[in-house]
Amino acid sequence: DAGVIQSPRHEVTEMGQEVTLRCKPISGHDYLFWYRQTMMRGLELLIYFNNNVPIDDSGMPEDRFSAKMPNASFSTLKIQPSEPRDSAVYFCASSSGRERWTEAFFGQGTRLTVV
Amino acid sequence: ILNVEQSPQSLHVQEGDSTNFTCSFPSSNFYALHWYRWETAKSPEALFVMTLNGDEKKKGRISATLNTKEGYSYLYIKGSQPEDSATYLCAFDTGGFKTIFGAGTRLFVKA
Repeated sequence: DAGVIQSPRHEVTEMGQEVTLRCKPISGHDYLFWYRQTMMRGLELLIYFNNNVPIDDSGMPEDRFSAKMPNASFSTLKIQPSEPRDSAVYFCASSSGRERWTEAFFGQGTRLTVV
Repeated sequence: ILNVEQSPQSLHVQEGDSTNFTCSFPSSNFYALHWYRWETAKSPEALFVMTLNGDEKKKGRISATLNTKEGYSYLYIKGSQPEDSATYLCAFDTGGFKTIFGAGTRLFVKA
């Protein structure tokens, strides 16, 4: 398996534009996580899905952020409209969840810059 | 507010030195403690998942211990190598998959 695949790797956009980040989890993994990493706050969990269903989105910063998982092999994180303070590295991770504490495998991340 | 603290913030050692650093977490609502290794420009890589008080895990020259009663975990690296240079993150799992990450310990190993 190629691991968790995220796209794009880098995104530069203007304030007010819509941004969509994409993630393909490891095949067979039934948990998918979106994280945001900033210098100020470190690595924060935004939302996670189990079997394509959003379970906890309490980490999503505000209504401008939304995430979907239309099927087991694809998820998106959308920011509309984007703001400069959204600039960060966004990571997607997946795990099998067969055991409650199974390790998560991270993607390479998407570095988002909003100017 | 649950707080996960790692110390030191950064560490500079010589090749061959052994080193260790600490992750402190709340002693209540413990479910699991994760250690990750994160190299610059790469994604975090899972090292250990620890669930039981007294757990000790080992992977090559890296090992970790867990004390859930007092709320700390140690990560040890024996005979540090330059390729060990990375940020080591711990993450406290409260259950419900809400892992809370520490700020990390940045390790620099000089050849």
